[in-house]
Amino acid sequence: DAKTTQPPSMDCAEGRAANLPCNHSTISGNEYVYWYRQIHSQGPQYIIHGLKNNETNEMASLIITEDRKSSTLILPHATLRDTAVYYCIVGAGGTSYGKLTFGQGTILTVHP
Amino acid sequence: EPEVTQTPSHQVTQMGQEVILRCVPISNHLYFYWYRQILGQKVEFLVSFYNNEISEKSEIFDDQFSVERPDGSNFTLKIRSTKLEDSAMYFCASSELRGSGELFFGEGSRLTVL
Repeated sequence: DAKTTQPPSMDCAEGRAANLPCNHSTISGNEYVYWYRQIHSQGPQYIIHGLKNNETNEMASLIITEDRKSSTLILPHATLRDTAVYYCIVGAGGTSYGKLTFGQGTILTVHP
Repeated sequence: EPEVTQTPSHQVTQMGQEVILRCVPISNHLYFYWYRQILGQKVEFLVSFYNNEISEKSEIFDDQFSVERPDGSNFTLKIRSTKLEDSAMYFCASSELRGSGELFFGEGSRLTVL
């Protein structure tokens, strides 16, 4: 699976958009980009995933660059409850039998 | 909303003892997983399970570990003879689709080995 690079930490004001970047320059054609988050040692929570096109769901939007070497997770109106570690994960063909390789992620702190 | 449930939430055991961690995956899911997270470290894949057999396992998942789906609802992780380094948070997860990266995780079972 391709390696991802994320900033170790970011801050965001409550109510503003949080834009979390991820670099995955070695991504291959059949690899998806997945985003998960982990709130204070709870179980990781799936947010969104995509292959080429931008994706949006009720939680977030995922913007993938045209060359697919980087992506941005957007939380449109961050709340205090969005404070968490956010993981960008790249996996082939829906990942090999659900084997997700978690990195260190980005610690997002949403402040009032 | 359906969820993955895990028991116990916290277990303390003595080194060398056997431990069984239990999970009830989401009812219509067919693919099951165990992950662990040592305090302050990354979430690590242990094993995936489908159709009553292991699909893939990591190097961590050695002979001391085993998984089982003893009935139609439970999915268990057994550690035969616990070591201090097995102290971690263990997360069960399930997914609906084969090879899906959209996993639903439980809240975890914290194992403390003394």
